[in-house]
Amino acid sequence: NAGVTQTPKFRILKIGQSMTLQCTQDMNHNYMYWYRQDPGMGLKLIYYSVGAGITDKGEVPNGYNVSRSTTEDFPLRLELAAPSQTSVYFCASSKGSSNQPQHFGDGTRLSIL
Amino acid sequence: AQSVTQPDIHITVSEGASLELRCNYSYGATPYLFWYVQSPGQGLQLLLKYFSGDTLVQGIKGFEAEFKRSQSSFNLRKPSVHWSDAAEYFCAVGAVQGAQKLVFGQGTRLTINP
Repeated sequence: NAGVTQTPKFRILKIGQSMTLQCTQDMNHNYMYWYRQDPGMGLKLIYYSVGAGITDKGEVPNGYNVSRSTTEDFPLRLELAAPSQTSVYFCASSKGSSNQPQHFGDGTRLSIL
Repeated sequence: AQSVTQPDIHITVSEGASLELRCNYSYGATPYLFWYVQSPGQGLQLLLKYFSGDTLVQGIKGFEAEFKRSQSSFNLRKPSVHWSDAAEYFCAVGAVQGAQKLVFGQGTRLTINP
């Protein structure tokens, strides 16, 4: 039972490059989320999705894009990497209702140089 | 808007000692409250949650938390800590309706002295 799987685990980008952080879950969860975690800070919501084809902005969406073509996958795209996007990124998923806990992946550590 | 404050950035306790991690929240109605634990290099794992009913909730690994509406608090406790409890602990508050958009506190790092 894999749960939430994120790839890659580590990545170094140059300023201006683009990349996609992959996230897939095998729990048939409707809701999926992307967070970023900066040093000494809690997690901040970037984007979320309540089902295939539906996405919405969270607290810090600028500089990111998402898509949700399937229930399982929720990739996060950085189009023009900036040093401020250096962070650890976590993907999470949950069942439909708001009282269900979120299940987290192990994170992607991204450095922009 | 929801917000969460964890007043203690770093706490050190001796193995076998009791533990209390503080969490204060701000929300306009009865919230959904969560405690998560993060080990180094790992994602977050749910320890326990409060939605309604009994204000003292039990979680995994021997943790419990008490919801106090009058104090807007949801403190995490454990009667006797183990070295394996060393980790980062996050309190989070969620909206009662709609997508579960959690707001996290900044976390409390727990160090265990042998």
